[in-house]
Amino acid sequence: DTGVSQDPRHKITKRGQNVTFRCDPISEHNRLYWYRQTLGQGPEFLTYFQNEAQLEKSRLLSDRFSAERPKGSFSTLEIQRTEQGDSAMYLCASRIGTSGWDNEQFFGPGTRLTVL
Amino acid sequence: EDKVVQSPLSLVVHEGDTVTLNCSYEVTNFRSLLWYKQEKKAPTFLFMLTSSGIEKKSGRLSSILDKKELFSILNITATQTGDSAIYLCAVTPGGAQKLVFGQGTRLTINP
Repeated sequence: DTGVSQDPRHKITKRGQNVTFRCDPISEHNRLYWYRQTLGQGPEFLTYFQNEAQLEKSRLLSDRFSAERPKGSFSTLEIQRTEQGDSAMYLCASRIGTSGWDNEQFFGPGTRLTVL
Repeated sequence: EDKVVQSPLSLVVHEGDTVTLNCSYEVTNFRSLLWYKQEKKAPTFLFMLTSSGIEKKSGRLSSILDKKELFSILNITATQTGDSAIYLCAVTPGGAQKLVFGQGTRLTINP
């Protein structure tokens, strides 16, 4: 399977614990995105990487959230001191970098986080 | 603030019917509008519409973009039960890489 992969697919944690998710983009894609989706809503943008550089961050990304893409390949999203409001599906997407208006992003299956 | 609104939020039809899903947007320096289909997992790409491509068609699905009135529609003809899904509309604002999504339309096709 050469699509975007995410791990784990499901995570249940207790409030106050730290969690880390991993995303492996399509191999030739240099742009990587994280989104969060809650029930009944569309995905909300969290952050964007071009290669290893984090170039955009949403106001939604509080100081408890941190994302990295150390070698410009896979990325991790860490949530510290989780809260029940963090319960959501965390989606990763990637695309190849081209000039122009093309912004077709390919999404992974997501990590569903439940904070008890 | 960039905003995308989809309607209806939910739609139930019978197999074989034709449906029209709506997406209106307010965005700074519009660049592109994308439609995705989401079943129980990742959104999958359907169409992208830009200033240079305001109408797209693929099989039973088609979409148009009206940049003057700031909306897009997604048409599905001869619907099948496999078309049941959430359909998401998203726009790319100018100067940004992110997609701004609407809430989605949940489409249910009954046999």
